[in-house]
Amino acid sequence: EAGVAQSPRYKIIEKRQSVAFWCNPISGHATLYWYQQILGQGPKLLIQFQNNGVVDDSQLPKDRFSAERLKGVDSTLKIQPAKLEDSAVYLCASSITGVEPEAFFGQGTRLTVV
Amino acid sequence: DQQVKQNSPSLSVQEGRISILNCDYTNSMFDYFLWYKKYPAEGPTFLISISSIKDKNEDGRFTVFLNKSAKHLSLHIVPSQPGDSAVYFCAATDASISQGGSEKLVFGKGMKLTVNP
Repeated sequence: EAGVAQSPRYKIIEKRQSVAFWCNPISGHATLYWYQQILGQGPKLLIQFQNNGVVDDSQLPKDRFSAERLKGVDSTLKIQPAKLEDSAVYLCASSITGVEPEAFFGQGTRLTVV
Repeated sequence: DQQVKQNSPSLSVQEGRISILNCDYTNSMFDYFLWYKKYPAEGPTFLISISSIKDKNEDGRFTVFLNKSAKHLSLHIVPSQPGDSAVYFCAATDASISQGGSEKLVFGKGMKLTVNP
């Protein structure tokens, strides 16, 4: 079974630039999550989709972050404009809704804002 | 306000001995708990979980114990192996989907385990 795919693996941008991350979840997983992991901390949920609907985006900084999941499969997370404090690993995860809550993570995208 | 706490940032044990990783939580709505293992430059990998209706779940060398009254869980690894060296995250969720639980995982800060040969 293919895992969660994310790209790019690494990205370095200057502050105030924009950046986008892509995620392809495990086939058949209706629930998709984007987490932000700052160095030395645990992952923090930014947004949760069920199919193509948003379930929870309470911790998404909506003035600069946006996410979409067209057709309920792939998802993109965008930051515009980026700030220094956005430097983190952005993790995408997916799970089978309504069965077990275990989420399966991709390798993540390490973003450095300079 | 941290709802899931891993108060020890690191642990070092000898190969073959027991590793005990602790986790505390504050939200009484949490009813499902998970441990994830993370190697450098990789995403977290699911390790083991426990529902609040149980107090113990075992999978090979890994056992998770849950003490609901103390809002405390622990992961035991016996025997520890050098390949177990990684960062371990405790996570919790309200899995009562039928009652509107969102399945959102709340993570602790992680604990770095080093198993010395």
